[in-house]
Amino acid sequence: QLIESGGGLGKPGESLTLSCAASGLTFSRAWMSWARQTPGKGLEWIGRIKSTNDGATTDYAAPVKGRFTISRDDSNNMLTLQMNSLNNEDTGIYYCASGGLWFESWGQGILVTVSS
Amino acid sequence: DIVMTQSPLSLAVTPGETASISCRSSQSLLHSYGASALAWYLQKPGQSPQLLIFLGSNRASGVPDRFSGSGSGTHFTLTINRVEADDVGVYYCMQAVQTPITFGPGTKVDLK
Repeated sequence: QLIESGGGLGKPGESLTLSCAASGLTFSRAWMSWARQTPGKGLEWIGRIKSTNDGATTDYAAPVKGRFTISRDDSNNMLTLQMNSLNNEDTGIYYCASGGLWFESWGQGILVTVSS
Repeated sequence: DIVMTQSPLSLAVTPGETASISCRSSQSLLHSYGASALAWYLQKPGQSPQLLIFLGSNRASGVPDRFSGSGSGTHFTLTINRVEADDVGVYYCMQAVQTPITFGPGTKVDLK
């Protein structure tokens, strides 16, 4: 089970942090991704973090690279998405998901709204 | 980036009939593991996406055998046999052979 938290309203240029609490999986071995869903772009992958065993390296989609940071805390089974320099196009429902080549589990999603 | 396209974008099916959704990729999805890094998801109204098929043709745990995936390379198909009311929603294909991971635009399935 994956449960996101921390969404809400942010102004352009501001920062927001999302968290994803994981249970029922061996979190330390899981590759984890963030994705978002917007009316304009549909489902969009934002980025991922590999398992600690695989180096915990990160990859990001171009629209968020340099602004968003994904991190993990295996001791607390927690995934984090730090979002900086928000813009209106970042508005959407954000999901965390587990898996590498496929996402076997998704969170329920959390709404992020960026508006002045 | 690998572009994913789906057809049709909308489909109305009579309960009990068969539905087929096509997914095409701009590049081969053959992974170094020897399988296609193509997954299918269903997003039911008001819910998050749920995994149906992984590696092109493997049903996820708990997915009825009415759902099947086929294809290779750049062309894949999701087939839903004996469509039921619970199958309504938007179906997405997703490639993960390379980053950025990309999704198709989705196919909305309704009942006639």
